[in-house]
Amino acid sequence: GENVEQHPSTLSVQEGDSAVIKCTYSDSASNYFPWYKQELGKGPQLIIDIRSNVGEKKDQRIAVTLNKTAKHFSLHITETQPEDSAVYFCAASFTLFSSNTGKLIFGQGTTLQVKP
Amino acid sequence: NAGVTQTPKFQVLKTGQSMTLQCAQDMNHEYMSWYRQDPGMGLRLIHYSVGAGITDQGEVPNGYNVSRSTTEDFPLRLLSAAPSQTSVYFCASSLQGPLYEQYFGPGTRLTVT
Repeated sequence: GENVEQHPSTLSVQEGDSAVIKCTYSDSASNYFPWYKQELGKGPQLIIDIRSNVGEKKDQRIAVTLNKTAKHFSLHITETQPEDSAVYFCAASFTLFSSNTGKLIFGQGTTLQVKP
Repeated sequence: NAGVTQTPKFQVLKTGQSMTLQCAQDMNHEYMSWYRQDPGMGLRLIHYSVGAGITDQGEVPNGYNVSRSTTEDFPLRLLSAAPSQTSVYFCASSLQGPLYEQYFGPGTRLTVT
């Protein structure tokens, strides 16, 4: 079935260090992989996404890599800051007949704590 | 634009009661979905809709009903609440489907006693 596994569930780093969160997905037909950040008491917000025709994408301090053969993708945050502390979710698309149908399935979430 | 709005913010129900969680968006998005968030289980898809009049089941649809009579509104109905439905519920919308950015509402915290 459709499944996304995310690790680790919690991650604690010192300010300035890097953080890496990893996800695997089950369906080789998945072609869209977004990452969401959820701050306390709020809904998740998109921070970066990658599509299957790209291996890596960067946006300032955050980057995402995709390995389609192994069916896994990762979020990298460099030079972490206290405001990066939040819950991060990966997701993978499972589409049906066309690109506007189907579902987005999320991983279990990673609570990142950045210590000053 | 208000974005995605959800009401109520908090709700306490007794087992067996029914209620409707409201979700509305003013961005003319075709695709809307409902997720529940539980500790250690992430966001799990309940139901989704690709447009007015079209809905489909997600990962955990049992105990929930949805309908989509307009583009703007996507209510989630609990017919007979159970303690296992205690959770935080998020509604989301996107322009055309799962391959586009999902805009989440602020959530509804539901407790069933």
